[in-house]
Amino acid sequence: QSALTQPASVSGSPGQSITISCTGTSSDVGGYNYVSWYQQHPDKAPKLMIYDVSNRPSGVSNRFSGSKSGNTASLTISGLQAEDEADYYCSSYTSSSTWVFGGGTKLTVL
Amino acid sequence: EVQLVESGGGLVQPGGSLRLSCAASGFTFSSSAMSWVRQAPGKGLGWVSTISGSGGSTYYADSVKGRFTISRDNSKNTLYLQMNSLRAEDTAVYYCAKRGYYDSSGYHDGFDIWGQGTMVTVSS
Repeated sequence: QSALTQPASVSGSPGQSITISCTGTSSDVGGYNYVSWYQQHPDKAPKLMIYDVSNRPSGVSNRFSGSKSGNTASLTISGLQAEDEADYYCSSYTSSSTWVFGGGTKLTVL
Repeated sequence: EVQLVESGGGLVQPGGSLRLSCAASGFTFSSSAMSWVRQAPGKGLGWVSTISGSGGSTYYADSVKGRFTISRDNSKNTLYLQMNSLRAEDTAVYYCAKRGYYDSSGYHDGFDIWGQGTMVTVSS
């Protein structure tokens, strides 16, 4: 049950776009379309932003999008805003009938 | 209002036990798979355990298998996590979360509802 690999940090200026990668294996990210992304502000509970690789829950801005290629999933945030500054985590179902998270990425809006 | 409220956290000595509870409201609890996810201080999220809506299927992370037991009481809309043989590395905020849902197009996976978390500290 190794964690998925995410960059520790990314940054961007307001209005720009950024992409956060999430790399796993064929036993998790590559094997299922069950990748999800979470936003977590300090001292708050995580919030679901993307499910099933690329779907947005009701109420989540369309500035957030998800995709997958092989064993790597990606979260893209376009038109960066100050309130997007947070930690972001990916998660995937695995072939062991378990779930695994990425190590998390701190997004800084410059 | 859709809501999950955890309780039961606290300070416990190494080797001790603790039971967490999570009260659910605003959705059909008995039809929903539920999970526990934890976050050690300053660290990332870690999946702990999941239970099916009926309670008939349970899944655990290797790090807690044999020590933690997930269960539910659908008559009380409540999820539980019994934690035994606690270790310092179990110190974390424990979140309960609803796992996935079904609609006309099938199953959709993701932790879509989260509680506010309850802190568990294992220390002598």
